[in-house]
Amino acid sequence: EIVLTQSPAILSLSPGERATLSCRASQSVGSYLAWYQQKPGQGPRLLIYDASYRGNDIPARFSGSGSGTDFTLTISSLEPEDFAVYYCQHRSNWWTFGQGTKVEIK
Amino acid sequence: QVQLVESGRGVVQPGRSLRLSCATSGFTFSNYAMHWVRQAPGKGLEWVAVIWSDGTKTDYAASVKGRFTISRDNSENTLYLQMNSLRGEDSAVYFCARGDIVATNFFDYWGQGTRVTVSS
Repeated sequence: EIVLTQSPAILSLSPGERATLSCRASQSVGSYLAWYQQKPGQGPRLLIYDASYRGNDIPARFSGSGSGTDFTLTISSLEPEDFAVYYCQHRSNWWTFGQGTKVEIK
Repeated sequence: QVQLVESGRGVVQPGRSLRLSCATSGFTFSNYAMHWVRQAPGKGLEWVAVIWSDGTKTDYAASVKGRFTISRDNSENTLYLQMNSLRGEDSAVYFCARGDIVATNFFDYWGQGTRVTVSS
């Protein structure tokens, strides 16, 4: 079973700063990795699929990169609405998620 | 626009049953695999179950296999989750999610979730 490990657990930044979130897979997942944003009381929202493709209506400040075992979600300049929890996800035999990174206001 | 709306929230005693529903609109339901994903209080996301577009194939997480049943009614555009023999560790917000149309590798739309609490 593939395990996804996200780092850091908490990222404290100010609006306008750049956010860099990491997701590491226990074995190669090719480019089959997705990223989601979740705000309190809401369902997750797809941001990135297949490592680097933005979902519908996702702003260009969100970008994804990586392949194999190491992946990065970058938010180029944080907007107030971007403070949330972010999860990576992969499908192998099942659908698995990382444990999440909380991006909080510094 | 795509909408997924879960219902069936409740507080149930351990060992009892509960059925969740997910009403969908804004897309051709019968073309998509559908999933249930849950989130225990203060925890991360856990995939629960999948049903393929025609309903002929299902799969479950080990934690719920044999206790939960996923089903769908393509004529009513509705997804279901029958949960039996509920345990305290099943307490969570349950989300329905649409799998991507190509290979259901990821979830492109999610509902707002419905809360299930298992407690005596």
